[in-house]
Order: sequence, then structure tokens, then C-alpha cells
Amino acid sequence: EDQVTQSPEALRLQEGESSSLNCSYTVSGLRGLFWYRQDPGKGPEFLFTLYSAGEEKEKERLKATLTKKESFLHITAPKPEDSATYLCAVQATGSARQLTFGSGTQLTVLP
Amino acid sequence: NAGVTQTPKFQVLKTGQSMTLQCAQDMNHEYMSWYRQDPGMGLRLIHYSVGAGITDQGEVPNGYNVSRSTTEDFPLRLLSAAPSQTSVYFCASSPETVTYGYTFGSGTRLTVV
Repeated sequence: EDQVTQSPEALRLQEGESSSLNCSYTVSGLRGLFWYRQDPGKGPEFLFTLYSAGEEKEKERLKATLTKKESFLHITAPKPEDSATYLCAVQATGSARQLTFGSGTQLTVLP
Repeated sequence: NAGVTQTPKFQVLKTGQSMTLQCAQDMNHEYMSWYRQDPGMGLRLIHYSVGAGITDQGEVPNGYNVSRSTTEDFPLRLLSAAPSQTSVYFCASSPETVTYGYTFGSGTRLTVV
């Protein structure tokens, strides 16, 4: 059974204070690992897809990395507008494009 | 280009009532799916479709039906609503390749009393 565990559940940072969110996963074969951002009352918004260990993707202050067992979302010098819940999901090979999601990390960036 | 449109945004049902949550996409995506989101449990897959006329069950299908008669529409039917179905429901779609992820709708918040 595919499993995704995200930590911490909640994270409060001061503006400019860099940190990382963790996503640990167990999957029979990884087709892709996804990061999404979700604002209150809205649907998840796609950020990155990672396919293989060692891969990295960047977007503004966010950088996602992938190993064989986990992924990290690094947030450099965050701003209050980065406050959101960040979701991690995996797609297993042969899964007909189904995603297994973690429960998310709620990030609050204080001014 | 509206993306994925879900209606209604909010709904209150009485136990035992039935209803249909609507989902439409205008991106010609083959794959569509329904998720429910509950506090502390993340998003869980209810049903999905890999194309018109083809549907299959996800992780939590009980109490829900789907059909896919067109590429654009993927409605979710609650047969006899129960309080355990109180949740936020999201519809998502994607093209054949997952490089750019899934596009989610804005959700339907359902309360069953």
C-alpha cells in the first residue's frame, strides 16, 4: 500500500527565516512525486513534479528535492504570502494516474 | 479557459437525501477524478475515469456513484447522504502526461445533517 507522511504538521516562521518541509513516502514503484500548494477555501495548486532520486526543481523561493525515500520542500527567505498548506503526493507505476496524498504541512509566515 | 469548474460551492443535505456534485473541464483532459478532503486525513480518492465511458473505484468509493458520458463532465452522485460524507469534495483532471500535474477545481463543501 502506498503511503505518504508529511512533517511537521504545522510550521510557523518569521519572514526571511528559511526552513524545509519533509515528505516521506513508501511506494512500490515511483512514477512521480508531486508538490501542491493549497490556500484556505481553494483547491490545490500544482507546484512541482519530481521523477527520480537526485532531481531538483525550483520556483521563486521554493526548491523541491527527491531521494529514494523522501522529498524536501525548501523555502528560502519566505514571505507572508507563502503562508499556505503544502501537500505532497505520489503516483505509483501502473496506478492509472491515481495520486496518494499526505495530510499536508500548514505553513504560517509572520511579518 | 475556465479550467475545472465545480458546482455547487456549498451544500447542506439531510441524512438520506441524494444529490449530484457537478464537475466540468474545458481542457480536453482524458483523466478526471474525485477526492474528498477531511481534516488531518489529506485528500482521498473516491472514483476516477481515464476517458469517456470508463470509470473505476478509488480508495473510498462506498456511497458514491460516477459516470463519464463525455470528456468534459464527471458528476459525482451521493446515493443516500450520511453524516460521514460531510467533507470538502474536489474534482481534478489531467492530460495523458503528468508532467504538469493535476488541475483541481475550487471544491464543494458538503454538510450532511
